[in-house]
Amino acid sequence: EPEVTQTPSHQVTQMGQEVILRCVPISNHLYFYWYRQILGQKVEFLVSFYNNEISEKSEIFDDQFSVERPDGSNFTLKIRSTKLEDSAMYFCASRQDSGETQYFGPGTRLLVL
Amino acid sequence: AQRVTQPEKLLSVFKGAPVELKCNYSYSGSPELFWYVQYSRQRLQLLLRHISRESIKGFTADLNKGETSFHLKKPFAQEEDSAMYYCALSGLTGGGNKLTFGTGTQLKVEL
Repeated sequence: EPEVTQTPSHQVTQMGQEVILRCVPISNHLYFYWYRQILGQKVEFLVSFYNNEISEKSEIFDDQFSVERPDGSNFTLKIRSTKLEDSAMYFCASRQDSGETQYFGPGTRLLVL
Repeated sequence: AQRVTQPEKLLSVFKGAPVELKCNYSYSGSPELFWYVQYSRQRLQLLLRHISRESIKGFTADLNKGETSFHLKKPFAQEEDSAMYYCALSGLTGGGNKLTFGTGTQLKVEL
């Protein structure tokens, strides 16, 4: 069964550095998402992406964040200048069509020191 | 605004006992409700969604619009049901269909 994959599984970075988190959604899916979960807190929506543009973003998704689908398979989340409070588990998700189930990747655990 | 409330952080039951994980929601439109499960060290997986009205692994959930609830139930808990359970809501308006999650309930099934 096809799955969403994410790399790396863990990333440690220094405050102020740029990080890029990578996701490979399921191949015939059209809608892509990033969520994050700070330790001990709920899973929070960051951004949704469809037809090569952002369709919705949360207040968390400020100018430090960007998303891109650089080719036909990858979907990336970039944090330009990481802050301590960006430390979290970041989940990518994808779904095939409107109203369909979102499938989640295993997550990338980001630690900002 | 969308909001999902799961009042219990931890629910501990004995094997064979009934399980009910509570979920209440707040949404002004027509919501779609989901239960996701996360077993230890694994990804979030869809357990069930209210539209499909399926029973998965013995779990059921009924959407009660009057009480704005979507409680997850299972008549007889199994040890392998121990996991983190998240209730989630998706609005049926807008193209994004983002999921809003509750804080999750850790279910522990004891022998």
